[in-house]
Amino acid sequence: DTEVTQTPKHLVMGMTNKKSLKCEQHMGHRAMYWYKQKAKKPPELMFVYSYEKLSINESVPSRFSPECPNSSLLNLHLHALQPEDSALYLCASSLSQVQFFGPGTRLTVL
Amino acid sequence: SQQGEEDPQALSIQEGENATMNCSYKTSINNLQWYRQNSGRGLVHLILIRSNEREKHSGRLRVTLDTSKKSSSLLITASRAADTASYFCATVSRGNNRLAFGKGNQVVVIP
Repeated sequence: DTEVTQTPKHLVMGMTNKKSLKCEQHMGHRAMYWYKQKAKKPPELMFVYSYEKLSINESVPSRFSPECPNSSLLNLHLHALQPEDSALYLCASSLSQVQFFGPGTRLTVL
Repeated sequence: SQQGEEDPQALSIQEGENATMNCSYKTSINNLQWYRQNSGRGLVHLILIRSNEREKHSGRLRVTLDTSKKSSSLLITASRAADTASYFCATVSRGNNRLAFGKGNQVVVIP
């Protein structure tokens, strides 16, 4: 299995909702990433997990809460989001310095 | 932080023509990578060139790296409609595995 999967593909939520994005890889990669991407912009790094521990938090607001239950799974818990948080959320994993990206979750916050 | 910058940012070419994109960066790097992104989808790794390499080929792709000018170029030869996508360069600095993405190039190949 050489791919990163993400669910759901699309998510629409209100500002008071709680939802989670999920990411999974079975390539044995020990580093996993969350990115946020706005239209016509490059991905912006949010979080990095290395060996299931959070190693980088790019000053992301606390309404985004990452979780790494095991070496294959990465979650992003969402709560009390703002309309400006609407974006494509990308998960990636890596073994060395090449990253493998999932297809993303298109999030719309109403 | 974004340290790669590509120029030009939008390119429209006829199928069969070559497409060239440039990327500049500001700090010392371990390697430079190019990724492709089809509309609204995930990024796909295309090619990696190390700081001690000057040129690399992969199929119809040719990447050059000039560390003295802190710049790279990506050439796609004999373009196809399926090459229509956004292309991002990303640098990796020594001591970490973070990708610093450039602004991206939108390439449209007209059949």
